Amino acid sequence: DIQMTQSPSSLSASVGDRVIIPCRASQNIGRSLSWYQQKPGKAPQLLIYAAFTLQSGVPSRFSASGSGTDFTLTISSLQPEDFATYYCQQSHRLPSTFGQGTRLEVK
Amino acid sequence: QVQLQESGPGLVKPSQTLSLTCTVSGDSISRGSYYWSWIRQPAGKRLEWIGRISAGGSTDYNPSLKSRLTISRDSSKNQFSLKLTSLIAADTAVYYCARENGYTDYYNFDRWGQGTRVAVSS
Repeated sequence: DIQMTQSPSSLSASVGDRVIIPCRASQNIGRSLSWYQQKPGKAPQLLIYAAFTLQSGVPSRFSASGSGTDFTLTISSLQPEDFATYYCQQSHRLPSTFGQGTRLEVK
Repeated sequence: QVQLQESGPGLVKPSQTLSLTCTVSGDSISRGSYYWSWIRQPAGKRLEWIGRISAGGSTDYNPSLKSRLTISRDSSKNQFSLKLTSLIAADTAVYYCARENGYTDYYNFDRWGQGTRVAVSS
């Protein structure tokens, strides 16, 4: 299986901050990378697919970059509703696998 | 607007079989370049892809669960289902059904059910 690693597992930030969340794949996955936001007790929501394509309806303060093995999700100016857990997921090869998540906390 | 809704028991005994159903509204599970997937999340842990069924009815399973898993569909009811046998405590999780979108050649889970909590306990 392709291993997805997200480090750190938690990040502290303040409203208005620019935040970068990294994700690394154990092998080359090209652009087959998606990002999800999950709030407590809720299902994940798709933010980004194909490494950097913004899903319809997602605010433009979210952006992403990367290809191959190293990827990042950037929130340009953190809003109160952005405090959540963020997961990366590879769809390059089955089984599809997720990172362990990065929890964004209030500083 | 596509909506997915999981249904099934919240508590199952060890060694028994878990049966979950996902009812889809707003889209046909037999149409287009979509897969219909099951994903689970043990408390405090990462998401785990369980398996999927295509619009054409073919299935793919996570090798770690393949020997215990069956995913099927009822197109007349626009539902797909999961059966997981020989349950153990480690199968305790929130189970989600989700639509996997393959239209762009970069697959992603673009619609999710709200999730259903399953506990394996005697």
